[in-house]
Amino acid sequence: DVKVTQSSRYLVKRTGEKVFLECVQDMDHENMFWYRQDPGLGLRLIYFSYDVKMKEKGDIPEGYSVSREKKERFSLILESASTNQTSMYLCASSPLGGYTFGSGTRLTVV
Amino acid sequence: EDQVTQSPEALRLQEGESSSLNCSYTVSGLRGLFWYRQDPGKGPEFLFTLYSAGEEKEKERLKATLTKKESFLHITAPKPEDSATYLCAVRNAGGTSYGKLTFGQGTILTVHP
Repeated sequence: DVKVTQSSRYLVKRTGEKVFLECVQDMDHENMFWYRQDPGLGLRLIYFSYDVKMKEKGDIPEGYSVSREKKERFSLILESASTNQTSMYLCASSPLGGYTFGSGTRLTVV
Repeated sequence: EDQVTQSPEALRLQEGESSSLNCSYTVSGLRGLFWYRQDPGKGPEFLFTLYSAGEEKEKERLKATLTKKESFLHITAPKPEDSATYLCAVRNAGGTSYGKLTFGQGTILTVHP
């Protein structure tokens, strides 16, 4: 069974901290995505990657960066966490069609 | 720009009361319409992919249909365990989209026993 694994289900971080959210997929997919999900706003694309070391900004990249050093791993980095980055973060991977999502990371910034 | 609008925002049904969820879309060349189910605190779970108008897919009590402008998710004789948020998404035919999906805001379905 295919899997996308996000390293943490829940995280609490302080304002100003550097935060790393990790995502690993075991399906050899080229494309990986980071979304955040907020009530009333739906899923919004932060960044995506279509190959190792390749990345593209999504709709809301401000305050975030990403890293993809290996095909199976896509990391989301909050350089200096702020309270407005409190959200559910979802990672997904895809060959070129429907996504397989991870379980999500609920991040709270205090 | 691709757009996806889902209605209603929330739907409450009695167990056994059939109904439909709507997903209206505008996209520059459809290369797939996707339905997902999401339970609270979890990631979305894939349900169906539809590619062309007239196509239908079924899974247990769920049936998805597609026209040129919208998709319906029909729920027949729902049970409380069908309660979830249902998400619709589209992928356009753009060459550089790298499989990016545009999501609607979802319909929250609650089925009462």
